[in-house]
Amino acid sequence: QQQVKQSPQSLIVQKGGISIINCAYENTAFDYFPWYQQFPGKGPALLIAIRPDVSEKKEGRFTISFNKSAKQFSLHIMDSQPGDSATYFCAATLYSGTYKYIFGTGTRLKVLA
Amino acid sequence: DSGVTQTPKHLITATGQRVTLRCSPRSGDLSVYWYQQSLDQGLQFLIQYYNGEERAKGNILERFSAQQFPDLHSELNLSSLELGDSALYFCASSVGWATNEKLFFGSGTQLSVL
Repeated sequence: QQQVKQSPQSLIVQKGGISIINCAYENTAFDYFPWYQQFPGKGPALLIAIRPDVSEKKEGRFTISFNKSAKQFSLHIMDSQPGDSATYFCAATLYSGTYKYIFGTGTRLKVLA
Repeated sequence: DSGVTQTPKHLITATGQRVTLRCSPRSGDLSVYWYQQSLDQGLQFLIQYYNGEERAKGNILERFSAQQFPDLHSELNLSSLELGDSALYFCASSVGWATNEKLFFGSGTQLSVL
């Protein structure tokens, strides 16, 4: 119940295309859903995050879509660029007596020039 | 640059040995987190400290221990090392301790146990 399932494992997109990464969770107590971007040799960096009372959040070319009833959320990267090539992690967090910060397994995105 | 400093960047050691990983959080951040990243397990939360006190524990083995010092830097001690402990260990920091805090990750320490 504490897992966050992320798909696909890897993704290849043409420059200018839309990259879509999906995550699903079971525990309805999760209250914060961040996405992290990680380049090789670097630590993850927060990209964008959403709370469950919002269905969509957009920051530049990055959009999170959140479907509370389906317990799913996704990251959309519009106009994907070669510089977006990285590994993306979704996460879900909660604090109910104990701290939970659960990461998905990651999606390796490659954007072709 | 996240502002979180981890040393060393690489560590090679043998099974049964003990190592210490060090983390300096961003200036002003009171929380420090340790994560383990491996190919098959992804990012696993190990432990969190807030202002010198242990705040939360995750999947941390009994052979592992951590502490946060008065100057807020943190150390992760790994003992009786096994081959399976080979992984990338990340430290992250945040201002507070809540789950919606923005985490700032260091560049990690790559541990290889031979």
